[in-house]
Amino acid sequence: EDQVTQSPEALRLQEGESSSLNCSYTVSGLRGLFWYRQDPGKGPEFLFTLYSAGEEKEKERLKATLTKKESFLHITAPKPEDSATYLCAVQALPRQAGTALIFGKGTTLSVSS
Amino acid sequence: DAGITQSPRHKVTETGTPVTLRCHQTENHRYMYWYRQDPGHGLRLIHYSYGVKDTDKGEVSDGYSVSRSKTEDFLLTLESATSSQTSVYFCAISESVLRDSPLHFGNGTRLTVT
Repeated sequence: EDQVTQSPEALRLQEGESSSLNCSYTVSGLRGLFWYRQDPGKGPEFLFTLYSAGEEKEKERLKATLTKKESFLHITAPKPEDSATYLCAVQALPRQAGTALIFGKGTTLSVSS
Repeated sequence: DAGITQSPRHKVTETGTPVTLRCHQTENHRYMYWYRQDPGHGLRLIHYSYGVKDTDKGEVSDGYSVSRSKTEDFLLTLESATSSQTSVYFCAISESVLRDSPLHFGNGTRLTVT
């Protein structure tokens, strides 16, 4: 069964304190791994897609990396506005399902000043 | 936002009543999806559509039906709402099955079944 597990469930950081979020996955055939950010009362907002082990992508203070079994979202020198829930998802369903994704439960990040 | 409008944004209904949620997109994307989000479960796929009148079931489709008569509209119907269907419902769209075609989400409908 395809599965996505995120850890930790919650993370509290001080402004400027770098850290990483983990996403481990088991799928029969990975077509893509996606990171989203979700703010309270809003829908998830797309951040990155990773397709193959060794791939990295960056956006401002965020960097996503991918291995054969897990992905990390590194947050460098976070600011309070980085506080959100970060969701990891994998694309592993039949091709006719398009980009239908299987999501993890998310990591809620709180950054205090 | 990616041109996705969900309506209503909030709804309270009674057990046993029918409910229809609407998703409208202005992007002309082929694929549309309905997810539900619950504490402790994350986002789970209910149904998806890969074209007009082409739909299929997702992980948690029991108790739900969908229809897509136009490219821009995807309707989710709860034929007889139950308390277990209290949730936040998200519509999403994607352009194709090709790479670099991620899901984009609406801002959700919060449904409470009393």
